[in-house]
Amino acid sequence: QVQLVESGGGAVQPGRSLRLSCRASGFSFRSYGMHWVRQAPGKGLEWVALIWYDGIKKDYADSVKGRFTIARDNSNNTLSLQMNSLRAEDMAVYYCARDLGGGDYYVFDYWGQGTLVTVSS
Amino acid sequence: EYVLTQSPGTLSLSPGERATLSCRASQTLSYDYLAWYQQKPGQAPRLLIYGASTRATGIPDRFSGTGSGADFTLTISRLEPEDFAVYYCQQHDSSPRTFGQGTKVEIK
Repeated sequence: QVQLVESGGGAVQPGRSLRLSCRASGFSFRSYGMHWVRQAPGKGLEWVALIWYDGIKKDYADSVKGRFTIARDNSNNTLSLQMNSLRAEDMAVYYCARDLGGGDYYVFDYWGQGTLVTVSS
Repeated sequence: EYVLTQSPGTLSLSPGERATLSCRASQTLSYDYLAWYQQKPGQAPRLLIYGASTRATGIPDRFSGTGSGADFTLTISRLEPEDFAVYYCQQHDSSPRTFGQGTKVEIK
């Protein structure tokens, strides 16, 4: 069965960096686009970033563009999110999610359990 | 940017009743690319519907999606105890892909 397991969350001060990882199993990882979606405490969902199945095309929300970098390693079935210059408003549970297709659906058909990022001085 | 407005904010119903959730877009979607997700406390969201009316794999047929243009509806024909949750709509039509603020379906 499809499994997505995030790691790397934690507490960090504003302006610092953090790297999230997502390990995928149970499907052909190299065939699917992958996303990061976040949810601030008690709030709704916000799409963050997408990487196409082949890693060539990427897309970011304006709120993170220039600060976050999405990447993937298809040989190890892993997805990552490098987050730099973190702000208080980046505090959220970060979910990795699979795209319904190669990256052009922006429909999230499987989700990980999420990893919490806390940004506070 | 498409703004999605969900109504009502909270729906109080009893098991066995019909639930009707609304999602309105600030502009007409080009391709009726509207998805619905269910989220229970402490859990990740689960995809229910995409393309306005296509049920995702494994989703019971008591969940149905309708609508086009700017007005969309998620209907749960007969509420089961496990259906009490928060429901989000999301447009997968144009950048940036956005979510509604959610509708909570609670037990009356």
